[in-house]
Amino acid sequence: EVQLVESGGGLVQPGRSLRLSCTASGFTFGDYAMSWVRQAPGKGLEWVGFIRSKAYGGTTEYAASVKGRFTISRDDSKSIAYLQMNSLKTEDTAVYYCSGYDTGKSADYWGQGTLVTVSS
Amino acid sequence: SYELTQPPSVSVSPGQTARITCSGDALPKQYAYWYQQKPGQAPVLVIYKDSERPSGIPERFSGSSSGTTVTLTISGVQAEDEADYYCQSADSSGTYEVFGGGTKLTVL
Repeated sequence: EVQLVESGGGLVQPGRSLRLSCTASGFTFGDYAMSWVRQAPGKGLEWVGFIRSKAYGGTTEYAASVKGRFTISRDDSKSIAYLQMNSLKTEDTAVYYCSGYDTGKSADYWGQGTLVTVSS
Repeated sequence: SYELTQPPSVSVSPGQTARITCSGDALPKQYAYWYQQKPGQAPVLVIYKDSERPSGIPERFSGSSSGTTVTLTISGVQAEDEADYYCQSADSSGTYEVFGGGTKLTVL
C-alpha cells in the first residue's frame, strides 16, 4: 500500500524556521519526483516547489513566494523528502501536502498534510 | 507570473453533465492535470496529460484540450462528485507549476 506521511508541522513564530518531513512507502521512492503543495485556510492549492529524481538530476524548483526561504531535499536511502522553511511569515500559514509522482504523473500520490501555523 | 483561470463555481443536477474549464496561455504547450478535493481530504488526481484517466478513476471523468483552454467533463454526475476541482499545469518554460483557483462543483 502506498503511503506518504507528513510530519513536523506546528505553531511557530514569524521569522523562525521549521522543517517538514515526508516519509514514503509502497513505491520506488528514488524513481519519483517529490513536490510540496500548500493550502491556506479556506483557500485554494498553491504549488510550493519540487525536487526531481536523481535520474533527472535531483534539481529543485520553487514558487516565487518561497524562493530563497524554502529548500526541498531528499534522502532516497530513507525514502524521505524534506521541506526546510526559513524566515517564516504569517502568510505561510497553511496545510502542507507532499506528493510523489512519476514522469507524466500516471502515478501520483499525496499525503494527508500537516498544518503549519505562523503566529506570534 | 503565470495564471490558470477557472470559474469559481459550477452547479448541475444529478445525472447531468458538468463541464469545468481552465484557461492559460501556455496550455497549448504544457499538459494539464485535474484534481478533485473533498473537504478535509487531500487532492486526488482524476485526469493527467490533458485527457488520460488514472487507474481507479470512474469513466465518467474525461478531459479535453483546445488551444488555451482545457476542460474537465463529468458525465452522469453523482452526488459523490460534489467537490472542489483544480487544474494544474506549468508555465511555458515547463519549470514552474501553478494551480488554477479552483471550481466548486455543486450537485443540486
